[in-house]
Amino acid sequence: DVVMTQSPLSLPVTLGQPASISCRSSHSLLNSDGNTYLNWFQQRPGQSPRRLIYKVSNRDSGVPDRFSGSGAGTDFTLEISRVEAEDVGVYYCMQGTHWPWTFGQGTKVEIK
Amino acid sequence: QLQLQESGPGLVKPSETLSLTCTVSGDSISGSGYYWGWVRQPPGKGLEWIGGFSYDGSTYYNPSLKSRVTFSVDTSKNQFSLKVTSVTATDTAVYYCARAVTGTVPYWGQGTLVTVSS
Repeated sequence: DVVMTQSPLSLPVTLGQPASISCRSSHSLLNSDGNTYLNWFQQRPGQSPRRLIYKVSNRDSGVPDRFSGSGAGTDFTLEISRVEAEDVGVYYCMQGTHWPWTFGQGTKVEIK
Repeated sequence: QLQLQESGPGLVKPSETLSLTCTVSGDSISGSGYYWGWVRQPPGKGLEWIGGFSYDGSTYYNPSLKSRVTFSVDTSKNQFSLKVTSVTATDTAVYYCARAVTGTVPYWGQGTLVTVSS
């Protein structure tokens, strides 16, 4: 299985400040079709995961533009330009290139 | 708008079979181009793909669970189901049904907690 490693696992952030989460995969996520299937999900307390980003950098409809994704190959990053209170939760990266699809351990974002 | 809703017993005894159903509304389960699957999350822990299938007949199992997992579909009710046999306490989790497309999962159910305990 492809191992997805996130860091940090806990991220205390001051409101209005930026935040960055790293995700590294044990295998390249570049698919034979030319796409890189790296996703980011947000899971607020007591809720289902919500997709924020797909194919590395494509933001879902309704996702604030303070969220952005970048990276290639095996190294990926989710950035929040200015953290707001509603951003509290756990963030997961997930690779969809190799079966079984696998998730990172999750990064818990909290407000300082 | 697509909605998925899990249902089933919240408590299952060890060694018995866990059975869950996902009811889909807002789209037909027999449409092409989609995968219907299951993800689970043990309390306080991360997410794990169980597997899924597409209506054209492709089925995907997480190798770690393949020997115990079965998927089925009831197109007349627009539902799909999951069975996990010989459960143990390690199968205690919130189970989510989901609709996926190639490489990603845009839609999730709200999840249902299944506890394995005698």
